[in-house]
Amino acid sequence: NAGVTQTPKFQVLKTGQSMTLQCAQDMNHNSMYWYRQDPGMGLRLIYYSASEGTTDKGEVPNGYNVSRLNKREFSLRLESAAPSQTSVYFCASSAWPPGQGVSEQFFGPGTRLTVL
Amino acid sequence: EDKVVQSPLSLVVHEGDTVTLNCSYEVTNFRSLLWYKQEKKAPTFLFMLTSSGIEKKSGRLSSILDKKELSSILNITATQTGDSAIYLCAVPSGAGSYQLTFGKGTKLSVIP
Repeated sequence: NAGVTQTPKFQVLKTGQSMTLQCAQDMNHNSMYWYRQDPGMGLRLIYYSASEGTTDKGEVPNGYNVSRLNKREFSLRLESAAPSQTSVYFCASSAWPPGQGVSEQFFGPGTRLTVL
Repeated sequence: EDKVVQSPLSLVVHEGDTVTLNCSYEVTNFRSLLWYKQEKKAPTFLFMLTSSGIEKKSGRLSSILDKKELSSILNITATQTGDSAIYLCAVPSGAGSYQLTFGKGTKLSVIP
């Protein structure tokens, strides 16, 4: 099993350009998440999808959109990139069924994005 | 607003030392507390502590939850250079507890 995979690993954009970060998991997990990690700020939740067909905003959603394409895939889109979106982006998934219990999140390897 | 605070933010020790990392939390509906280790890339899961499982141990790493003090500690004994990483603490938060609120992490550096 590959676990959680992300593409691309690295990306450089110019201000105003758009791009989509892809994430897929092969663990049959219900819930998926997008985080950004900045120095001194820890991991901050951008959007999450508790189950297929639903998405919700996290702590820092402005400037981003997401699509839960199917149970396996959850993409993050930057419509008009800004330098403030320079960060490392992590996708994660968990087996967390809605309303039941707690399970750990498994993380992908990350995408390092630079916006010039 | 749910909050997780970790201390210290960074720590440098020599191989063989024992270290204690701290995590305190404020959360509306406590369910669990999770510890992750982050080396160069993705965070990897270490422990989950709950009301029914307040102490976990794996090799040289151990963790204890103190629900009265709303805190947890992560102990690493006989540290090795491979323990150098950022250690993250997180609690489920938000309606339905789908989200994890992370602390800013403790950066541990173990020098030979």
